[in-house]
Amino acid sequence: AQSVAQPEDQVNVAEGNPLTVKCTYSVSGNPYLFWYVQYPNRGLQFLLKYITGDNLVKGSYGFEAEFNKSQTSFHLKKPSALVSDSALYFCAVTSLGYQKVTFGTGTKLQVIP
Amino acid sequence: DTAVSQTPKYLVTQMGNDKSIKCEQNLGHDTMYWYKQDSKKFLKIMFSYNNKELIINETVPNRFSPKSPDKAHLNLHINSLELGDSAVYFCASSPIGENTEAFFGQGTRLTVV
Repeated sequence: AQSVAQPEDQVNVAEGNPLTVKCTYSVSGNPYLFWYVQYPNRGLQFLLKYITGDNLVKGSYGFEAEFNKSQTSFHLKKPSALVSDSALYFCAVTSLGYQKVTFGTGTKLQVIP
Repeated sequence: DTAVSQTPKYLVTQMGNDKSIKCEQNLGHDTMYWYKQDSKKFLKIMFSYNNKELIINETVPNRFSPKSPDKAHLNLHINSLELGDSAVYFCASSPIGENTEAFFGQGTRLTVV
């Protein structure tokens, strides 16, 4: 079985400050990890993924995420938050041979002007 | 051009009715999905198809029946609608492989009254 935890329902950050949205996971085998963003009344949009290789993954809109195998974490980060980053963020996990992707419960990011 | 398109965007219907949601993707992907997002924004996979073949069928009432006439289309038919079916339903597609990201449609907000 596989699972994803996003421990924070909501994260508030001031515009211009760095942001972190947390994600931890549990899988058998090596994980494939994804971050998606959902704006109001829209579908999910892919931000970035970790498959293998460099633990620091860079994605769309200036976001990056760090894969930490020992802590089974894949936190999403951005050096300087924008008001337009305010949205719902989902972490997701799967692994080789496991066809189903499991999504976290989502974290609402609020960037305050 | 919209990559993954769903119709209708909104659907309001009475209990007991039968309704369908259509999904089409023009990305050439081999895998298509239906997801359900509830009022708390939890996202759960319902079905997954690879090249018209059903590969994931989660614990979904058999009132829900997907149909894939070709690999670019995955429709969802729901019989005898219940109040608890009210949710946002997302269609998505991806290339084959566990390490590929999904592209989501804009969602269909189903309200059963």
